[in-house]
Amino acid sequence: DGGITQSPKYLFRKEGQNVTLSCEQNLNHDAMYWYRQDPGQGLRLIYYSQIVNDFQKGDIAEGYSVSREKKESFPLTVTSAQKNPTAFYLCASSIDTRQGVGNEQFFGPGTRLTVL
Amino acid sequence: LAKTTQPISMDSYEGQEVNITCSHNNIATNDYITWYQQFPSQGPRFIIQGYKTKVTNEVASLFIPADRKSSTLSLPRVSLSDTAVYYCLVGEDDYKLSFGAGTTVTVRA
Repeated sequence: DGGITQSPKYLFRKEGQNVTLSCEQNLNHDAMYWYRQDPGQGLRLIYYSQIVNDFQKGDIAEGYSVSREKKESFPLTVTSAQKNPTAFYLCASSIDTRQGVGNEQFFGPGTRLTVL
Repeated sequence: LAKTTQPISMDSYEGQEVNITCSHNNIATNDYITWYQQFPSQGPRFIIQGYKTKVTNEVASLFIPADRKSSTLSLPRVSLSDTAVYYCLVGEDDYKLSFGAGTTVTVRA
């Protein structure tokens, strides 16, 4: 089955600890994205990557870091510098970043991070 | 970035048609209009995308007037399982899209 996976589904961490969220896709997509969603809110873009070994900051990149060493993987690290990390994190991928017929974002199931 | 405005919530009943209108007055020439659906604790799912006039697929229709300053997502004969948040997005590139609060559609029996 082709798709995008995120693990784990639920994650608990103590304040001050870094934590890495996994995102893998086997859709052969060039572009990948990380979003954050808070209760009752829309999605906010953290980082995106248009191609392997390249990534760009989104609207709320402070306190987060990413890597894109492989086409299929785009892990997100939530660092201790992120002041309010408890949220629902969503990873997505698309053929490329351009809008147009046939180019949609495919989302993973999400990881709910709770910092205690 | 093109800003979108859509209703916060809408209520409907099973079997009815639901129409959600999104305003995007400053849409740019190269911008597409895209709609996503999101269920609680899940990632959004692509519904439909268009540039102008009308687009229809097996799930919904998208109506775009000539001036492209608004668009209407039409969900025919909704069921309880269509209860979700619907997002209207406008942009040329995926990384420029803004998922606002969306429209919460509640379908009742």
